[in-house]
Amino acid sequence: EAGVAQSPRYKIIEKRQSVAFWCNPISGHATLYWYQQILGQGPKLLIQFQNNGVVDDSQLPKDRFSAERLKGVDSTLKIQPAKLEDSAVYLCASSLGDVSNQPQHFGDGTRLSIL
Amino acid sequence: SQKIEQNSEALNIQEGKTATLTCNYTNYSPAYLQWYRQDPGRGPVFLLLIRENEKEKRKERLKVTFDTTLKQSLFHITASQPADSATYLCALPPDTGRRALTFGSGTRLQVHP
Repeated sequence: EAGVAQSPRYKIIEKRQSVAFWCNPISGHATLYWYQQILGQGPKLLIQFQNNGVVDDSQLPKDRFSAERLKGVDSTLKIQPAKLEDSAVYLCASSLGDVSNQPQHFGDGTRLSIL
Repeated sequence: SQKIEQNSEALNIQEGKTATLTCNYTNYSPAYLQWYRQDPGRGPVFLLLIRENEKEKRKERLKVTFDTTLKQSLFHITASQPADSATYLCALPPDTGRRALTFGSGTRLQVHP
């Protein structure tokens, strides 16, 4: 089966600019996650979708980050305006259901650098 | 809130030896725990899930133990190979409310030929 697809792989922007990331999960996976991974740390959840509804966005900095999952398939994550501390890898993952004992399948992420 | 600790120092071992990585947690009693492997520039890949009533679980050269008394999971790779070099992450289910996993910071394993 095809894995989780993410684009772009790399992005360099200046602070205060905006950026968007795209994710296509594994076909049939109802749950989609966006994580932020700072160098040397584990992935930190930003937002979790179940189909096209938000399950958990408690750690999403809503003043600058937004995400949507239209039609319950693809998803986009946007940052506007970007800050220096947003430099990180943004990972998308998907799983069959919303129960956390199911394995999560990750894409290879987008590496964001803020100048 | 729950806290996960993995050794931040890299583990260096010789090929053929057994690598043992540790995941400790506090303020929590998870029903299960997951282990992932992450290569540089790649996303994490699921390896194993162990439940609280499964003291040990094996998959090929991998073995995971789960000690709910010590609040610790050990991840072993036997007959290690240079291709096993990667960062290994443990992840726990939510403590309250949230449904997504919480990941540790990972331990980097380097297997030398």
